[in-house]
Amino acid sequence: GAVVSQHPSWVICKSGTSVKIECRSLDFQATTMFWYRQFPKQSLMLMATSNEGSKATYEQGVEKDKFLINHASLTLSTLTVTSAHPEDSSFYICSARVQRGGPFQETQYFGPGTRLLVL
Amino acid sequence: SQQGEEDPQALSIQEGENATMNCSYKTSINNLQWYRQNSGRGLVHLILIRSNEREKHSGRLRVTLDTSKKSSSLLITASRAADTASYFCATVTYTGNQFYFGTGTSLTVIP
Repeated sequence: GAVVSQHPSWVICKSGTSVKIECRSLDFQATTMFWYRQFPKQSLMLMATSNEGSKATYEQGVEKDKFLINHASLTLSTLTVTSAHPEDSSFYICSARVQRGGPFQETQYFGPGTRLLVL
Repeated sequence: SQQGEEDPQALSIQEGENATMNCSYKTSINNLQWYRQNSGRGLVHLILIRSNEREKHSGRLRVTLDTSKKSSSLLITASRAADTASYFCATVTYTGNQFYFGTGTSLTVIP
């Protein structure tokens, strides 16, 4: 089956630093990847849609200058949390859509998540 | 917000009982999916039901979909302690680009 990995799985950083999270599709090519954020005991909130070779599309209320997304290849998307603050502490999950024919991709493959703690 | 809502928010049952969770959503959908998430872990895909389907089964899981009411339910029969997790519904629109997750139900199965 399709596997999506994230790195790192855990990161602790000081306030004001930037943190990069990688999302990789290991055995398939993903033209589209998605980034979600999940606060404790809450649901996943879609942050942005990342398309290979083009700018990401951000959901309303998500600051694109704070959450930089780069999708440079068909197997890698990165999320950089710039100038992180304690309120950015969260569980960040990516997902990838397999490149297949047809207008819909019914199932996305999710990464295991990255837990960010900003002190 | 296109986020759906689930109820109950939390459910605690005895092992062997059935657990039912409900999901309501706002927009027209292509399909609806249910996921499970153990505490602090990633998501596990459980089952997908298309907009032209009304009921689907997978093992101990039974999912229903009522597009007129924009709602779905997930039934877990003969629950086990290992079923303890959070359960989320996710809707996929006709553009197929994005998932919108419900608020989730936290299920605790007491041995």
